[in-house]
Amino acid sequence: NAGVTQTPKFQVLKTGQSMTLQCAQDMNHNSMYWYRQDPGMGLRLIYYSASEGTTDKGEVPNGYNVSRLNKREFSLRLESAAPSQTSVYFCASLVTTNYGYTFGSGTRLTVV
Amino acid sequence: GDSVTQMEGPVTLSEEAFLTINCTYTATGYPSLFWYVQYPGEGLQLLLKATKADDKGSNKGFEATYRKETTSFHLEKGSVQVSDSAVYFCALRSGGGGADGLTFGKGTHLIIQP
Repeated sequence: NAGVTQTPKFQVLKTGQSMTLQCAQDMNHNSMYWYRQDPGMGLRLIYYSASEGTTDKGEVPNGYNVSRLNKREFSLRLESAAPSQTSVYFCASLVTTNYGYTFGSGTRLTVV
Repeated sequence: GDSVTQMEGPVTLSEEAFLTINCTYTATGYPSLFWYVQYPGEGLQLLLKATKADDKGSNKGFEATYRKETTSFHLEKGSVQVSDSAVYFCALRSGGGGADGLTFGKGTHLIIQP
C-alpha cells in the first residue's frame, strides 16, 4: 500500500541509550519531515529534508540527528536518549507545496 | 514567526449537534491552511485544505472557509456522529514557497456522545 511507513511502532529506551527511527515513503515525494507530538503541545517539527541530500533543522532539533539516505528513506537518530524525548514521533512526506502532507502511523517512544 | 491558535478542548457534544472548532492564525504572506484529524492510536489524516483567501475546503460533511480579513479557518459540521470523535488539528504552511513544514495548533479533542 502506498504511504509512509515508520518502524518501530513502540520502543522503550533507558537514559543514555541510542536508537534510530526509520521512515520510508513509496510515493516519490521530494520532501520529508520528522515531528514530535506531546500532550498539550500539538506537533512540533524536529528536522526536515526538502530533497535528497539536504536536511534542515526545525523548531526542536536539539538531541536529534537525521539522515536522508535516498529519496525514499529519512531516519531520525537519538544518540543519547533523555526522558524529555519521551514522545510520539511522526514522519511525513510532501510532493508539492500546496498539497496536504501524508503522515505515518507514528512511533511511541518512552525513555526511562 | 507563524502560529496557530485553536480552541481548547475537550469539546463534548451530543450526536447530531452542530460543530464549530475555532482556528485563527498569524503568518507572513499568504499561507495555505489545513485541518487534520487524528483517531485514537493513529497518525494524522488530512481532512480538508484551502490555499487562498475565500476558498472553502470540504470533506465528509466538514467545511472550513479561509478568511483572510479575520485570519481564521474555523471548522464546521452540521450534524456530528459518534464516529467523528477524534483530535482535530488546524495547521498552516507559510506562503514562502519553501519546504519548511507545517505549523500546528495544539489540537482540539472532540467527544461525541450518543
